[in-house]
Amino acid sequence: EAQVTQNPRYLITVTGKKLTVTCSQNMNHEYMSWYRQDPGLGLRQIYYSMNVEVTDKGDVPEGYKVSRKEKRNFPLILESPSPNQTSLYFCASSPQGIYSPLHFGNGTRLTVT
Amino acid sequence: GENVEQHPSTLSVQEGDSAVIKCTYSDSASNYFPWYKQELGKRPQLIIDIRSNVGEKKDQRIAVTLNKTAKHFSLHITETQPEDSAVYFCAATTSYGKLTFGQGTILTVHP
Repeated sequence: EAQVTQNPRYLITVTGKKLTVTCSQNMNHEYMSWYRQDPGLGLRQIYYSMNVEVTDKGDVPEGYKVSRKEKRNFPLILESPSPNQTSLYFCASSPQGIYSPLHFGNGTRLTVT
Repeated sequence: GENVEQHPSTLSVQEGDSAVIKCTYSDSASNYFPWYKQELGKRPQLIIDIRSNVGEKKDQRIAVTLNKTAKHFSLHITETQPEDSAVYFCAATTSYGKLTFGQGTILTVHP
């Protein structure tokens, strides 16, 4: 089944403790991106990647890192999480950038205390 | 960078009525405008999109219109049904990778 898989689905952590949210797609898509969803703010793009080893900042990249060492994986790294990074995170992929439909993962609900 | 404003934030209609959601964008170079629907507890899914060289696009009960001069685009849903209840997001992009979403509209269709 074609899908984007995020792990974990839920995560509660403490301020400053490094964490990684994984994202993997099995559709051989070139484009992958990360979004955070907050009430009243919609979806905001954190980082995106056009292909392996190519990443670029979205609208809210501060406090996040990403890597794209292989086509299927695009992990989101929070080196020192803070409470304002408490949010619902979505990974998405598409075959040809944002001009083709984005396939979203199921989301990761992160709480930083 | 691009800024997308979406209105209204909530919209309540009776089953069978029409619903209209409007978005404005700031960057006149924006050339692609997708709409995503997110049902409660689910992931967003694309429902319709339009490119800047087209003024209107329809797909059964949904349609999108684009006014490039005024820099706004709208989603129209006719003959609404309870299963149309969801959060709807508009978005705009000027580049191949960067996508800016609006704040979202919670649509409730009452039976």
